[in-house]
Amino acid sequence: GAVVSQHPSWVICKSGTSVKIECRSLDFQATTMFWYRQFPKQSLMLMATSNEGSKATYEQGVEKDKFLINHASLTLSTLTVTSAHPEDSSFYICSATSDRGTTNEKLFFGSGTQLSVL
Amino acid sequence: RKEVEQDPGPFNVPEGATVAFNCTYSNSASQSFFWYRQDCRKEPKLLMSVYSSGNEDGRFTAQLNRASQYISLLIRDSKLSDSATYLCVVNRANQGGKLIFGQGTELSVKP
Repeated sequence: GAVVSQHPSWVICKSGTSVKIECRSLDFQATTMFWYRQFPKQSLMLMATSNEGSKATYEQGVEKDKFLINHASLTLSTLTVTSAHPEDSSFYICSATSDRGTTNEKLFFGSGTQLSVL
Repeated sequence: RKEVEQDPGPFNVPEGATVAFNCTYSNSASQSFFWYRQDCRKEPKLLMSVYSSGNEDGRFTAQLNRASQYISLLIRDSKLSDSATYLCVVNRANQGGKLIFGQGTELSVKP
């Protein structure tokens, strides 16, 4: 089945540094990728939708200059948390829709990235 | 009002119990509905889609009431391995693929 590889699985960084998270679709072309954030005991909150070759669409309240999304190819999307602060510590997870005629109801999730900002 | 709301939980039940999760959604134009399961610090996994006619998969039964904008999940004969957080998920109308997640209901099945 379709696989989405997300790296890193976890990262600890100092406040003020930038962190890049990658999501790759391994055996399919992901025309659309979604980025979610999840705080402890809370729901997955959609941050942005990225389409290959175009600018990402951000959800209300998500700072596009802080969370940079790049979807340069059909198999790779990246999320960069710029100048991370402790309040950015969260579980970040991507998901992708397949181009194989699977209904777009089915999303394939990466395994998530736990970010801890000290 | 949140787009998708679930029972706050947590639910603590003994093995073999029947447990029901409830969910409501605010956008009447939503088209697709799902239940996902999420284990701690893992990606959510699709448990089942939910159809207007209701659907069953083994011990799991999902129901949808479009008039009330209400979705339910019933787990019969619960197992220890059912312990997880159950997420009610709705697609955003006319934005296929963009899923909105409820806050989840945690289930803990005890021996």
